[in-house]
Amino acid sequence: DAGVIQSPRHEVTEMGQEVTLRCKPISGHDYLFWYRQTMMRGLELLIYFNNNVPIDDSGMPEDRFSAKMPNASFSTLKIQPSEPRDSAVYFCASSQRLAGSQETQYFGPGTRLLVL
Amino acid sequence: KQEVTQIPAALSVPEGENLVLNCSFTDSAIYNLQWFRQDPGKGLTSLLLIQSSQREQTSGRLNASLDKSSGRSTLYIAASQPGDSATYLCAATGFQKLVFGTGTRLLVSP
Repeated sequence: DAGVIQSPRHEVTEMGQEVTLRCKPISGHDYLFWYRQTMMRGLELLIYFNNNVPIDDSGMPEDRFSAKMPNASFSTLKIQPSEPRDSAVYFCASSQRLAGSQETQYFGPGTRLLVL
Repeated sequence: KQEVTQIPAALSVPEGENLVLNCSFTDSAIYNLQWFRQDPGKGLTSLLLIQSSQREQTSGRLNASLDKSSGRSTLYIAASQPGDSATYLCAATGFQKLVFGTGTRLLVSP
């Protein structure tokens, strides 16, 4: 398996523009997670899905952020409108079973977002 | 709310040294404690997972311990190598979520 795939790897945009990040989880994994990593706050969970259904979005910072998972092999994280403080590395991860069992999460390479 | 702290924030050692990275967590009601490695520009790779009923896990030169009662975990790296240079993150697994520490940035010089 190719692992978790994210695109784009780098994104530079101007404030106010819409940004869409994409993720393809590992085949057969039922759970998908979106994280954000910054120097100030470290790695934070934004939202996670189970079988394409959003389970917990309490980490989503504002209404400007939205996430979808239309099928088992694809998810998007959208920021509209983007702001400079959204600049961060966004990671997608997937797992076969929910954290709490013996399973771990497998992370993608991340998307480095810079909002000017 | 679970809070995870890692010390030191950065560590620089010469090749061959044994070293210890520390992780502390505030809520002992965890399912497991995981250690990840992050290389620059890349995602996280799981190194070791210690279930709440276990005291330690070993993989090669890595050994991780867990003391739930004191809210602490340590990652021991034996005979460090330049290839070990990376950021090491611990994560406490509670109900449905991983809570990460801010990491220890390790540099092993030849």
